[in-house]
Amino acid sequence: AQSVTQLGSHVSVSEGALVLLRCNYSSSVPPYLFWYVQYPNQGLQLLLKYTTGATLVKGINGFEAEFKKSETSFHLTKPSAHMSDAAEYFCAVSWGNAGNMLTFGGGTRLMVKP
Amino acid sequence: GAVVSQHPSWVICKSGTSVKIECRSLDFQATTMFWYRQFPKQSLMLMATSNEGSKATYEQGVEKDKFLINHASLTLSTLTVTSAHPEDSSFYICSAIPAGNSGANVLTFGAGSRLTVL
Repeated sequence: AQSVTQLGSHVSVSEGALVLLRCNYSSSVPPYLFWYVQYPNQGLQLLLKYTTGATLVKGINGFEAEFKKSETSFHLTKPSAHMSDAAEYFCAVSWGNAGNMLTFGGGTRLMVKP
Repeated sequence: GAVVSQHPSWVICKSGTSVKIECRSLDFQATTMFWYRQFPKQSLMLMATSNEGSKATYEQGVEKDKFLINHASLTLSTLTVTSAHPEDSSFYICSAIPAGNSGANVLTFGAGSRLTVL
């Protein structure tokens, strides 16, 4: 079965430090890749997505992610963390770009220390 | 941009009662909507695909008689948790795809509805 793995259920960084959230998926079939952010008691907000084209994708709030096919990875980064970045982040993968084929990773809670 | 609204955002009910959650696409028509369930500190699990004008498609292990889905119009899907029990307490999230599209790359999520069954 296809799967999405987010390494680290909790990540803690200091304000101003680099944010790196890891996401790996299990298939060699080119997927569609997404990162979502969820603030407490809210739904999911799309940060960025990769469908085709350039493998380095820039999203909202200064986040970006790079699709590395050889590593089956789509890690999320931000050069400098803000306190407002503290939230839950979900990586999601769709094989076939169908709405009901979206598989979510387990989520990573990002904590930002002052 | 596309907006999906869920109502209510919070609901508390007694065990044995039924609860209806609405998912509306505010500025677009959606022939397909999806319902997810999220337990505390866990990821989202797809429960069912809601199709306008036809029966919903449920994922394996989801009881269709327990979680009734109705998609009667192009802007509204409802999820009814029937005879709710404490184990049904969860965060329910919907998403929608604009009519004419089918891809996961155009999904818009609602803000979620937290159900607590006493």
